Amino acid sequence: IAGITQAPTSQILAAGRRMTLRCTQDMRHNAMYWYRQDLGLGLRLIHYSNTAGTTGKGEVPDGYSVSRANTDDFPLTLASAVPSQTSVYFCASSDSIGGADTQYFGPGTRLTVL
Amino acid sequence: GQNIDQPTEMTATEGAIVQINCTYQTSGFNGLFWYQQHAGEAPTFLSYNVLDGLEEKGRFSSFLSRSKGYSYLLLKELQMKDSASYLCAVSSNDYKLSFGAGTTVTVRA
Repeated sequence: IAGITQAPTSQILAAGRRMTLRCTQDMRHNAMYWYRQDLGLGLRLIHYSNTAGTTGKGEVPDGYSVSRANTDDFPLTLASAVPSQTSVYFCASSDSIGGADTQYFGPGTRLTVL
Repeated sequence: GQNIDQPTEMTATEGAIVQINCTYQTSGFNGLFWYQQHAGEAPTFLSYNVLDGLEEKGRFSSFLSRSKGYSYLLLKELQMKDSASYLCAVSSNDYKLSFGAGTTVTVRA
């Protein structure tokens, strides 16, 4: 049982380049989320999806886009990376749309934008 | 907006007890979560409180007072492996989680 997987584990990227972070879950969870974690700021929600085919903006969505073509996959795209997007990115999923269900996190992607 | 406060760092001795406080001000309330995060790893679920009172789960307990906007996580019989960051997160009206910045607990021998 894999749970949630993320790829790549880490990446160094030149500013201005396009990058897609991948996230896949095998728990058939309805909801999926993308967070970034920066020192001293905690986890901040970038985008979320309550169910396949729908997405929404979180607290810090600028510069990022997502899609949810199916239940399992929720990729995060940086169209033109900037150094301020250097962070650790976590994908998470939960089973419920309308309840405060536990979120389960992937192992994270460490992204450095130079 | 959401405002969640918890101490930045705490240090305790192996075998001791540590209490991590969390205060919050949010738009609505649908429960409070505590997560544990070891350095370089993903957060993992520890506890969930939606009603006032104490929830005990082995060496870890979590308390909630909704009227005071306050929770604490109690870690008993501390072990070296408990050295980690502990994240307080509140589910508000839209069921999204807002996280505090985390409390780094260091357990010393």
